[in-house]
Amino acid sequence: AQSVTQLGSHVSVSEGALVLLRCNYSSSVPPYLFWYVQYPNQGLQLLLKYTTGATLVKGINGFEAEFKKSETSFHLTKPSAHMSDAAEYFCAVSHTGTASKLTFGTGTRLQVTL
Amino acid sequence: EPEVTQTPSHQVTQMGQEVILRCVPISNHLYFYWYRQILGQKVEFLVSFYNNEISEKSEIFDDQFSVERPDGSNFTLKIRSTKLEDSAMYFCASSEGGASGNIQYFGAGTRLSVL
Repeated sequence: AQSVTQLGSHVSVSEGALVLLRCNYSSSVPPYLFWYVQYPNQGLQLLLKYTTGATLVKGINGFEAEFKKSETSFHLTKPSAHMSDAAEYFCAVSHTGTASKLTFGTGTRLQVTL
Repeated sequence: EPEVTQTPSHQVTQMGQEVILRCVPISNHLYFYWYRQILGQKVEFLVSFYNNEISEKSEIFDDQFSVERPDGSNFTLKIRSTKLEDSAMYFCASSEGGASGNIQYFGAGTRLSVL
Protein backbone atom coordinates (compact mmCIF):
# COMPACT_ATOMS: atom_id res chain seq x y z
CA ALA A 1 0.00 0.00 0.00
CA GLN A 2 1.11 3.53 -0.67
CA SER A 3 0.71 6.56 1.56
CA VAL A 4 1.64 10.24 1.64
CA THR A 5 2.36 12.45 4.63
CA GLN A 6 2.30 16.21 4.30
CA LEU A 7 3.79 17.94 7.32
CA GLY A 8 1.97 21.11 8.19
CA SER A 9 -1.67 21.57 7.30
CA HIS A 10 -1.14 25.34 7.15
CA VAL A 11 1.95 27.23 6.06
CA SER A 12 2.21 31.01 6.08
CA VAL A 13 4.96 32.92 4.27
CA SER A 14 5.57 36.54 3.41
CA GLU A 15 5.41 37.66 -0.18
CA GLY A 16 8.87 37.21 -1.68
CA ALA A 17 9.93 34.57 0.84
CA LEU A 18 10.88 30.99 0.13
CA VAL A 19 8.04 28.48 -0.05
CA LEU A 20 8.74 24.98 1.26
CA LEU A 21 5.94 22.42 1.44
CA ARG A 22 6.93 19.02 2.75
CA CYS A 23 5.87 15.65 1.40
CA ASN A 24 7.03 12.21 2.42
CA TYR A 25 5.77 9.05 0.82
CA SER A 26 5.69 5.36 1.51
CA SER A 27 5.74 2.90 -1.35
CA SER A 28 6.94 -0.66 -1.74
CA VAL A 29 7.74 -0.06 -5.41
CA PRO A 30 9.29 2.87 -7.28
CA PRO A 31 6.60 5.50 -7.37
CA TYR A 32 5.37 8.26 -9.57
CA LEU A 33 5.02 11.48 -7.55
CA PHE A 34 2.86 14.53 -8.17
CA TRP A 35 2.01 17.90 -6.73
CA TYR A 36 -1.42 19.34 -7.41
CA VAL A 37 -2.75 22.78 -6.50
CA GLN A 38 -6.37 23.63 -5.72
CA TYR A 39 -7.51 27.22 -5.84
CA PRO A 40 -10.80 28.11 -4.12
CA ASN A 41 -13.82 26.61 -5.84
CA GLN A 42 -11.69 25.01 -8.52
CA GLY A 43 -10.48 21.52 -9.35
CA LEU A 44 -7.03 20.04 -8.90
CA GLN A 45 -4.40 21.40 -11.26
CA LEU A 46 -1.16 19.53 -11.87
CA LEU A 47 1.87 21.55 -10.77
CA LEU A 48 4.58 19.02 -11.54
CA LYS A 49 5.38 15.34 -11.66
CA TYR A 50 8.25 12.93 -11.17
CA THR A 51 8.19 9.73 -13.17
CA THR A 52 11.74 8.77 -14.10
CA GLY A 53 15.02 10.49 -14.91
CA ALA A 54 16.09 13.79 -13.42
CA THR A 55 15.20 13.97 -9.75
CA LEU A 56 14.75 17.74 -9.74
CA VAL A 57 11.58 18.54 -11.61
CA LYS A 58 10.29 21.94 -12.57
CA GLY A 59 6.65 22.79 -12.83
CA ILE A 60 4.36 25.66 -13.57
CA ASN A 61 4.37 29.02 -11.79
CA GLY A 62 8.02 28.73 -10.74
CA PHE A 63 7.58 25.69 -8.51
CA GLU A 64 9.99 22.78 -8.38
CA ALA A 65 10.39 19.60 -6.39
CA GLU A 66 13.19 17.15 -5.79
CA PHE A 67 12.72 13.40 -5.53
CA LYS A 68 14.99 12.04 -2.80
CA LYS A 69 14.71 8.28 -2.68
CA SER A 70 16.92 7.92 0.39
CA GLU A 71 14.67 10.27 2.34
CA THR A 72 11.41 9.13 0.65
CA SER A 73 10.64 12.79 0.14
CA PHE A 74 9.29 15.02 -2.61
CA HIS A 75 9.25 18.51 -1.12
CA LEU A 76 7.84 21.41 -3.13
CA THR A 77 9.70 24.71 -3.26
CA LYS A 78 9.46 28.13 -4.83
CA PRO A 79 12.18 30.73 -4.30
CA SER A 80 9.86 33.72 -4.00
CA ALA A 81 6.21 33.54 -2.98
CA HIS A 82 3.57 35.58 -4.73
CA MET A 83 0.14 36.47 -3.43
CA SER A 84 -1.39 34.42 -6.22
CA ASP A 85 0.26 31.27 -4.80
CA ALA A 86 -2.22 31.17 -1.93
CA ALA A 87 -4.05 27.86 -2.37
CA GLU A 88 -4.22 24.27 -1.14
CA TYR A 89 -1.39 22.01 -2.27
CA PHE A 90 -1.67 18.24 -2.47
CA CYS A 91 1.14 15.74 -2.83
CA ALA A 92 0.17 12.42 -4.44
CA VAL A 93 1.79 9.09 -5.22
CA SER A 94 0.92 6.32 -7.64
CA HIS A 95 2.33 3.11 -8.93
CA THR A 96 4.13 3.33 -12.24
CA GLY A 97 1.50 1.37 -14.12
CA THR A 98 -0.86 3.00 -16.57
CA ALA A 99 -3.99 4.33 -14.93
CA SER A 100 -2.85 3.65 -11.39
CA LYS A 101 -4.89 5.38 -8.72
CA LEU A 102 -3.51 8.46 -7.03
CA THR A 103 -3.09 8.37 -3.25
CA PHE A 104 -3.18 11.88 -1.86
CA GLY A 105 -1.83 13.53 1.24
CA THR A 106 -4.07 15.60 3.48
CA GLY A 107 -3.01 18.84 1.82
CA THR A 108 -1.23 22.01 2.92
CA ARG A 109 -2.93 25.35 2.80
CA LEU A 110 -0.45 28.04 1.81
CA GLN A 111 -1.12 31.57 3.00
CA VAL A 112 0.92 34.43 1.56
CA THR A 113 1.03 37.68 3.51
CA LEU A 114 2.23 41.15 2.59
CA GLU B 1 -6.50 23.86 -23.49
CA PRO B 2 -8.67 20.74 -23.20
CA GLU B 3 -10.30 20.26 -19.83
CA VAL B 4 -12.47 17.87 -17.88
CA THR B 5 -15.94 19.29 -17.28
CA GLN B 6 -18.33 18.24 -14.55
CA THR B 7 -22.01 18.96 -14.07
CA PRO B 8 -23.71 20.07 -11.96
CA SER B 9 -21.33 22.12 -9.84
CA HIS B 10 -23.59 21.65 -6.82
CA GLN B 11 -26.22 18.98 -6.25
CA VAL B 12 -28.57 18.94 -3.29
CA THR B 13 -30.57 15.79 -2.65
CA GLN B 14 -32.62 14.10 0.03
CA MET B 15 -31.29 11.04 1.81
CA GLY B 16 -32.33 7.88 -0.02
CA GLN B 17 -32.58 9.53 -3.41
CA GLU B 18 -30.54 8.54 -6.45
CA VAL B 19 -28.10 11.00 -7.95
CA ILE B 20 -26.09 10.95 -11.15
CA LEU B 21 -22.95 13.01 -11.40
CA ARG B 22 -21.77 13.75 -14.91
CA CYS B 23 -18.34 14.23 -16.40
CA VAL B 24 -17.00 14.89 -19.86
CA PRO B 25 -13.37 13.72 -19.94
CA ILE B 26 -10.75 15.08 -22.30
CA SER B 27 -11.62 13.72 -25.71
CA ASN B 28 -8.58 11.58 -26.54
CA HIS B 29 -8.20 10.16 -23.04
CA LEU B 30 -8.80 6.49 -22.42
CA TYR B 31 -8.77 6.18 -18.63
CA PHE B 32 -11.35 7.69 -16.31
CA TYR B 33 -11.55 8.08 -12.57
CA TRP B 34 -13.75 9.27 -9.75
CA TYR B 35 -12.39 10.63 -6.49
CA ARG B 36 -14.14 12.26 -3.57
CA GLN B 37 -13.17 14.71 -0.88
CA ILE B 38 -15.22 14.91 2.28
CA LEU B 39 -15.00 18.39 3.78
CA GLY B 40 -11.74 18.80 5.66
CA GLN B 41 -10.39 15.40 4.61
CA LYS B 42 -8.05 14.12 1.94
CA VAL B 43 -8.97 13.35 -1.65
CA GLU B 44 -9.83 9.63 -1.87
CA PHE B 45 -9.88 7.33 -4.86
CA LEU B 46 -13.21 5.70 -5.70
CA VAL B 47 -12.89 3.94 -9.03
CA SER B 48 -11.00 3.78 -12.30
CA PHE B 49 -12.51 2.78 -15.66
CA TYR B 50 -11.03 1.66 -18.93
CA ASN B 51 -12.40 -0.01 -22.04
CA ASN B 52 -15.94 0.06 -20.67
CA GLU B 53 -15.18 -1.72 -17.46
CA ILE B 54 -13.95 -1.01 -13.97
CA SER B 55 -10.19 -1.37 -13.64
CA GLU B 56 -9.92 -0.83 -9.91
CA LYS B 57 -12.21 0.25 -7.10
CA SER B 58 -11.72 1.17 -3.48
CA GLU B 59 -13.53 -0.21 -0.47
CA ILE B 60 -15.62 2.96 -0.48
CA PHE B 61 -17.07 2.01 -3.88
CA ASP B 62 -19.72 -0.41 -2.64
CA ASP B 63 -22.91 -1.66 -4.28
CA GLN B 64 -24.64 1.69 -4.04
CA PHE B 65 -22.15 3.18 -6.49
CA SER B 66 -21.92 2.51 -10.22
CA VAL B 67 -20.14 4.08 -13.17
CA GLU B 68 -21.02 4.16 -16.81
CA ARG B 69 -19.84 5.59 -20.08
CA PRO B 70 -23.23 5.84 -21.79
CA ASP B 71 -21.90 7.35 -25.00
CA GLY B 72 -18.60 8.39 -26.51
CA SER B 73 -18.16 11.48 -24.38
CA ASN B 74 -19.83 11.23 -20.97
CA PHE B 75 -18.68 9.37 -17.87
CA THR B 76 -21.15 9.14 -15.00
CA LEU B 77 -21.15 8.21 -11.33
CA LYS B 78 -24.47 7.02 -9.93
CA ILE B 79 -25.22 6.78 -6.25
CA ARG B 80 -28.35 4.66 -5.87
CA SER B 81 -29.58 5.57 -2.40
CA THR B 82 -27.71 8.49 -0.96
CA LYS B 83 -26.68 8.65 2.67
CA LEU B 84 -25.73 11.66 4.76
CA GLU B 85 -22.11 10.51 4.70
CA ASP B 86 -22.05 10.69 0.90
CA SER B 87 -21.94 14.48 1.19
CA ALA B 88 -18.62 15.44 -0.37
CA MET B 89 -16.93 17.01 -3.37
CA TYR B 90 -16.72 14.48 -6.18
CA PHE B 91 -13.94 14.88 -8.73
CA CYS B 92 -13.77 13.26 -12.12
CA ALA B 93 -10.37 12.79 -13.78
CA SER B 94 -9.07 11.40 -17.03
CA SER B 95 -5.70 10.34 -18.36
CA GLU B 96 -4.26 9.54 -21.73
CA GLY B 97 -2.38 6.43 -20.63
CA GLY B 98 0.64 5.07 -22.42
CA ALA B 99 3.84 7.07 -22.07
CA SER B 100 2.12 10.02 -20.37
CA GLY B 101 3.23 8.82 -16.97
CA ASN B 102 -0.21 8.49 -15.39
CA ILE B 103 -0.92 12.23 -15.49
CA GLN B 104 -4.52 12.66 -14.43
CA TYR B 105 -6.45 15.80 -15.27
CA PHE B 106 -9.21 16.80 -12.89
CA GLY B 107 -12.50 18.57 -13.29
CA ALA B 108 -13.69 21.34 -10.98
CA GLY B 109 -15.84 18.91 -9.03
CA THR B 110 -19.47 18.45 -8.06
CA ARG B 111 -20.37 19.31 -4.50
CA LEU B 112 -22.99 16.81 -3.32
CA SER B 113 -25.06 17.79 -0.31
CA VAL B 114 -27.29 15.06 1.13
CA LEU B 115 -29.95 16.37 3.51
